[in-house]
Amino acid sequence: GAGVSQSPSNKVTEKGKDVELRCDPISGHTALYWYRQSLGQGLEFLIYFQGNSAPDKSGLPSDRFSAERTGGSVSTLTIQRTQQEDSAVYLCASSFGGEETQYFGPGTRLLVL
Amino acid sequence: SQQGEEDPQALSIQEGENATMNCSYKTSINNLQWYRQNSGRGLVHLILIRSNEREKHSGRLRVTLDTSKKSSSLLITASRAADTASYFCARGSNYKLTFGKGTLLTVNP
Repeated sequence: GAGVSQSPSNKVTEKGKDVELRCDPISGHTALYWYRQSLGQGLEFLIYFQGNSAPDKSGLPSDRFSAERTGGSVSTLTIQRTQQEDSAVYLCASSFGGEETQYFGPGTRLLVL
Repeated sequence: SQQGEEDPQALSIQEGENATMNCSYKTSINNLQWYRQNSGRGLVHLILIRSNEREKHSGRLRVTLDTSKKSSSLLITASRAADTASYFCARGSNYKLTFGKGTLLTVNP
């Protein structure tokens, strides 16, 4: 079946603008994750959604970052008032459960000028 | 902080040779997952090994886990040029994955 999809593939924005990144998980997967990969920090966990439970937002770096998951499926990661240090590849993953294999999407490469 | 540190940071071998990458971690895990990444984009899942397992195989891949030493290794046998990629181990605990910085493997034809 189809894997995790993300859009856009690439996003260039100006400092101070808001951006929205989208993730479509694998159908049937109840868990959804966002990670960020940057040169300086490697791969970092951002946020985790599991079913109808409250999300674990402990990895979000600042209150400019937020995410939602509508209907237990599609998720949107929003970055407000983007800064240059937000430039990174944002990766989404999904899994059948919290301790199972996580399948990653191709990522969105964000560049903040 | 980063946990699940890979060693070596870079490895260059000839096609046909075996490649071994090691991963160490500091705290307890539920599972340890190995991933491959090409060209800095999507991560491809290779193997998941649970904390009560000691060894798993998948094709040319063999993963071992030693929880007493808090270490794991990934062995790729009979390497191919197409195996050239970055390899990451990820510690799974309470559903989060904590990644190391990866090993860059180059397989020369």
